[in-house]
Amino acid sequence: KQEVTQIPAALSVPEGENLVLNCSFTDSAIYNLQWFRQDPGKGLTSLLLIQSSQREQTSGRLNASLDKSSGRSTLYIAASQPGDSATYLCAVHSYGGATNKLIFGTGTLLAVQP
Amino acid sequence: KAGVTQTPRYLIKTRGQQVTLSCSPISGHRSVSWYQQTPGQGLQFLFEYFSETQRNKGNFPGRFSGRQFSNSRSEMNVSTLELGDSALYLCASSLGRENHGYTFGSGTRLTVV
Repeated sequence: KQEVTQIPAALSVPEGENLVLNCSFTDSAIYNLQWFRQDPGKGLTSLLLIQSSQREQTSGRLNASLDKSSGRSTLYIAASQPGDSATYLCAVHSYGGATNKLIFGTGTLLAVQP
Repeated sequence: KAGVTQTPRYLIKTRGQQVTLSCSPISGHRSVSWYQQTPGQGLQFLFEYFSETQRNKGNFPGRFSGRQFSNSRSEMNVSTLELGDSALYLCASSLGRENHGYTFGSGTRLTVV
């Protein structure tokens, strides 16, 4: 059974710092991994999608890496801003067993202090 | 292009009532999935529909049901509401193939009193 863990659960940094959020998963049989952002009381905004054959994806100040064999992904945020404050969720799309669904981690709550 | 539209945004219902939530996916997307988000359990998968057929179902009681129409719009229904059904219900739209990502709507906040 696929399990997804995110560390740390919460993180507070001063504006301008570079930071790394971690995501680990127990079963490497995945189609892809997706990083989302969620603002309080809102839906999920997709940040990056990494296919199982890819090592990393970049969008602006965000860079996500994927090491399928070790079951790990990281989300790197460069030059953090107060507007980056949100909960960040990673989700894996597994195959084997029940597919066509995402399995989510519990999220990292990020606060960027001005 | 228009995103995923969920209606209504907020609902307050009484225990024992039933509720229907609606989701309109991105144009051209044939897969619609539903998730429940609560502080205690996080995001949990309810079910997924593709071309009007349920392809996958999560571990929820039979009070939770859904359907998809020929235009890919989907509805989920919860009967005999319980206090524990209070949650943010999120709908996700996808092209439906394994290598495609998901786009989520803004959610429906359901409060059961």
